[in-house]
Amino acid sequence: DQQVKQNSPSLSVQEGRISILNCDYTNSMFDYFLWYKKYPAEGPTFLISISSIKDKNEDGRFTVFLNKSAKHLSLHIVPSQPGDSAVYFCAATVGQGGKLIFGQGTELSVKP
Amino acid sequence: GAGVSQSPSNKVTEKGKDVELRCDPISGHTALYWYRQSLGQGLEFLIYFQGNSAPDKSGLPSDRFSAERTGGSVSTLTIQRTQQEDSAVYLCASSLGWAFNEQFFGPGTRLTVL
Repeated sequence: DQQVKQNSPSLSVQEGRISILNCDYTNSMFDYFLWYKKYPAEGPTFLISISSIKDKNEDGRFTVFLNKSAKHLSLHIVPSQPGDSAVYFCAATVGQGGKLIFGQGTELSVKP
Repeated sequence: GAGVSQSPSNKVTEKGKDVELRCDPISGHTALYWYRQSLGQGLEFLIYFQGNSAPDKSGLPSDRFSAERTGGSVSTLTIQRTQQEDSAVYLCASSLGWAFNEQFFGPGTRLTVL
C-alpha cells in the first residue's frame, strides 16, 4: 500500500509563475514531512521540511503547507526558475531519525 | 569529501551472480540508510543502521539481500543470486543520528541485472 502519494507525475510551469506540487498521505502517525529535489544521475537533495505541529514553513522561494485534517501537503515555489526543473519527492516519517517513506515523485519543468 | 559517496556508480551483472555495493557516509553521521529506486518509482526503504543498535531490516525484500556496517562507518549492501527485478538505483543516505530527520543522499549505484 502506498502510504505517501504524489498523484501528478509531471507539472509544467512558466518561468516566474508559481509551482505547486502536491502530496497526500494515509498514515496518521506521520509527524514529520520533507521535500527532496532530484536531478538526473544524482542523489536526492533536501529542500524543506515541516513538523506536524506546524501548518506552514517557509524558506526563501519555497513554502510547504501541511493540512493534517486532509492528510495533504504541498510545496509552493515562487517565483519558479528554470533551474528548479527536477523531480520532487515528498517523504514522511514517524518519530525521529527513522526511515523515510517516499512518494513516487513529480517531475517539474519550468520553461523560460 | 564532504558528502556521501557510493561505489561503483554503475554495475552490470548476470542473473544469479552476487553483487556488493559500498557506501561511505558523511564523517560523524551515526545513522545510515539504504533505499532503492526502481524505474518510474519512488524511493523504497531497505535497511537502517543507527550507532550500535540492531539495524532496522524491515524493508529488505528477500533474504537474498543483506547489509553490514563496519566500525560504525562504511556500509556494504550485498545481493546474492541477483534477479532481473533487482535492477534499480541503490541509494545510500546518512544523518547525524536518531534525533535528526534530514538525510543526506549519495549519488547512487545503478544496478543492471541481465
